[in-house]
Amino acid sequence: GQNIDQPTEMTATEGAIVQINCTYQTSGFNGLFWYQQHAGEAPTFLSYNVLDGLEEKGRFSSFLSRSKGYSYLLLKELQMKDSASYLCAVRADSNYQLIWGAGTKLIIKP
Amino acid sequence: DAGITQSPRHKVTETGTPVTLRCHQTENHRYMYWYRQDPGHGLRLIHYSYGVKDTDKGEVSDGYSVSRSKTEDFLLTLESATSSQTSVYFCAISESTLRTPQETQYFGPGTRLLVL
Repeated sequence: GQNIDQPTEMTATEGAIVQINCTYQTSGFNGLFWYQQHAGEAPTFLSYNVLDGLEEKGRFSSFLSRSKGYSYLLLKELQMKDSASYLCAVRADSNYQLIWGAGTKLIIKP
Repeated sequence: DAGITQSPRHKVTETGTPVTLRCHQTENHRYMYWYRQDPGHGLRLIHYSYGVKDTDKGEVSDGYSVSRSKTEDFLLTLESATSSQTSVYFCAISESTLRTPQETQYFGPGTRLLVL
């Protein structure tokens, strides 16, 4: 079957760095997405990886290892507004459908 | 941000009544999706569309139907609402463009549905 695993909840301190992991077992692989979702709002796109390595976007970076079925989202210089859920999603084949993880709720403490 | 609206934003209905949710986009994207989101679950695909009058089922399609008569509108109908369909419903759109060749999905604001 198709499966994506993420930790349910993580806590970090304002100004610190946090890494949110995502592991996947899918029938194929054609890209991995990270989304941010604030409570009561819609998911918003953060990053996309299809090749191995690190993609950096300001305070956020995303890493992919296809051989390990593993990705992480790295958030630096944490701010209170980063308190949200972070969703990992995989496109398993060449069609446009995504398989979604249940999301990681990130709590930022002062 | 992609121009996607959903209506209504909130709805309370009774078991057994039909309910229709509307998704409207101004981006002329080809692909449209309906998801539901429940605590402890990832987003689950209900139905999707790959063009006008072209739709297909997702993983949780039982009890739902869809229609797409125009590129910009994608309707989700609960034929006879049940309490298990209480959820938050999100519409999403995607397209392969120069800016997003990876067909990133962009989401509408969501509809909160409560079935009593």
